[in-house]
Amino acid sequence: GEDVEQSLFLSVREGDSSVINCTYTDSSSTYLYWYKQEPGAGLQLLTYIFSNMDMKQDQRLTVLLNKKDKHLSLRIADTQTGDSAIYFCAERRNTGKLIFGQGTTLQVKP
Amino acid sequence: GAVVSQHPSWVICKSGTSVKIECRSLDFQATTMFWYRQFPKQSLMLMATSNEGSKATYEQGVEKDKFLINHASLTLSTLTVTSAHPEDSSFYICSASPPLRSSYNEQFFGPGTRLTVL
Repeated sequence: GEDVEQSLFLSVREGDSSVINCTYTDSSSTYLYWYKQEPGAGLQLLTYIFSNMDMKQDQRLTVLLNKKDKHLSLRIADTQTGDSAIYFCAERRNTGKLIFGQGTTLQVKP
Repeated sequence: GAVVSQHPSWVICKSGTSVKIECRSLDFQATTMFWYRQFPKQSLMLMATSNEGSKATYEQGVEKDKFLINHASLTLSTLTVTSAHPEDSSFYICSASPPLRSSYNEQFFGPGTRLTVL
């Protein structure tokens, strides 16, 4: 189907690691993205991974890609209260169109 | 990084009126702009793809006569919601892609416009 699936909510304590999971649909998608949306704001690109990669690390962020299972995850190390937001994964189809998941709300408790 | 602005950031209008939303790329030229709609606690749904100087391509189920898109210059695209009704109330987000794109072909997103139709 068309849907990119994400869990809707995740709550962690400050300083813990957060792992947000995503399942996408099109095995031929070339790029996969993670975006962050703060309340009332647009989307900020956090990181992306090319489909022939397994892992990408960027400071506190680690993206893991399992192409066989079409599974993508975002790990945020040492989660801070400022990381509280909605996180969207998205796949880029061959047409250039981005298909977004429904977003995971990350709540970070002090 | 590339900056995309939207105006207004929020608007309240009466049912039956038309509302125009502007999307501007501030420091780059955007040959392609995208318009998305986001309902509360839901994903972004692509409404249309707008190429400078040509007609917009609408996604299935999006009424082109209701959501008029104009991309008259390389830095400006407008979305006009005609004869707005309460069910058109939503968060509208635009994005823009520069012509010389990186390999990952990023779209730069605007901050969104909250439309409330009374």
